[in-house]
Amino acid sequence: SQKIEQNSEALNIQEGKTATLTCNYTNYSPAYLQWYRQDPGRGPVFLLLIRENEKEKRKERLKVTFDTTLKQSLFHITASQPADSATYLCALDTTYNTDKLIFGTGTRLQVFP
Amino acid sequence: EAQVTQNPRYLITVTGKKLTVTCSQNMNHEYMSWYRQDPGLGLRQIYYSMNVEVTDKGDVPEGYKVSRKEKRNFPLILESPSPNQTSLYFCASSLARVRGYTEAFFGQGTRLTVV
Repeated sequence: SQKIEQNSEALNIQEGKTATLTCNYTNYSPAYLQWYRQDPGRGPVFLLLIRENEKEKRKERLKVTFDTTLKQSLFHITASQPADSATYLCALDTTYNTDKLIFGTGTRLQVFP
Repeated sequence: EAQVTQNPRYLITVTGKKLTVTCSQNMNHEYMSWYRQDPGLGLRQIYYSMNVEVTDKGDVPEGYKVSRKEKRNFPLILESPSPNQTSLYFCASSLARVRGYTEAFFGQGTRLTVV
């Protein structure tokens, strides 16, 4: 069955460091992958989208990579700040089913001053 | 301001009492969907709609109904709620499902408790 895995353990890092979150998937051939930020009790907010033919995408302090051979995406936040503390979700569409996004369970990031 | 609006934000109800959670978007999006979010399970799609009068089941549709009579509205109906439907619900919308362009906009969520 199709499966998306994100590290369920929280990632704790010090302010100023680079946070790296991982999204692995199996039994998919995604056309693209998205990353969202979710704060407690609130709806997810879209951050970045990367297509299958793109290796890397950047937006300000955010960087996403997409390795279709490894079936993995990495999400980086450089110069992290306490305000970056949140849960980050990856979501995939598939080449063969464009009717829905499949979400991972998310990884909680905590940035300490 | 572009937004997806859900109501109510919080709801406590009793088993078997029909309820409706409303969802409205002001972005003229064709695609709308409902998710529930539970600890350890993440976001799971309940129903989705590709356009007016077009709806289909997601991964966990049992116990839910939806309708799409207007483009902007996509209400979620629980005909006979049960305690296992206690969850955090999100409505989302996006432009037509053109490949590679499906950023989803989410509502603020509805926390439902069924006792």
